[in-house]
Amino acid sequence: AQSVTQPDIHITVSEGASLELRCNYSYGATPYLFWYVQSPGQGLQLLLKYFSGDTLVQGIKGFEAEFKRSQSSFNLRKPSVHWSDAAEYFCAVGDSGGGADGLTFGKGTHLIIQP
Amino acid sequence: DGGITQSPKYLFRKEGQNVTLSCEQNLNHDAMYWYRQDPGQGLRLIYYSQIVNDFQKGDIAEGYSVSREKKESFPLTVTSAQKNPTAFYLCASSILGDFPGNTIYFGEGSWLTVV
Repeated sequence: AQSVTQPDIHITVSEGASLELRCNYSYGATPYLFWYVQSPGQGLQLLLKYFSGDTLVQGIKGFEAEFKRSQSSFNLRKPSVHWSDAAEYFCAVGDSGGGADGLTFGKGTHLIIQP
Repeated sequence: DGGITQSPKYLFRKEGQNVTLSCEQNLNHDAMYWYRQDPGQGLRLIYYSQIVNDFQKGDIAEGYSVSREKKESFPLTVTSAQKNPTAFYLCASSILGDFPGNTIYFGEGSWLTVV
């Protein structure tokens, strides 16, 4: 069975500093990986996704993520965070069937931005 | 605008009552999903449907029921058998196809509280 681990429950970063959120996955085949962001009381918005090709993926809002098969990781990065980036971030993995059976999510990382 | 509409946003349920959460999408997506979100737990899949009049149990289906009579609609009923229904419920949808990495889009969620 596939699984996703986000090791950090909370991360605090100063505004303007760089950010890296960690995600490790367990999946037997080629994984299809996603990062979503959720503001309080809202639905999830897709930041970026990886399913083939270049292992460095660019997303919206200045985020990027790098797929590293050898480390089973898909870490999310941003060079300079803004106060509006404070939110909950979820990493997810889908199956090769187009995700038709739904995604498996990590438990999320809560990002706090210090002024 | 195309999207996924969930209603109501807030719902209170008395012990022993069934309640139904509505989910409608106008994205012409084939697949629809219901997730439950609890603090610190991430998202867990309740039910999903890939085609009208067919649906599959997810990881935590006990105490829930769904129907898919129309492509656009996938209501979720939280029955009295669900012992701990207080949570945030998210409906989602996606297209189906042979290409991998289908994006799952989310609604804005519904808060259910047992009183």
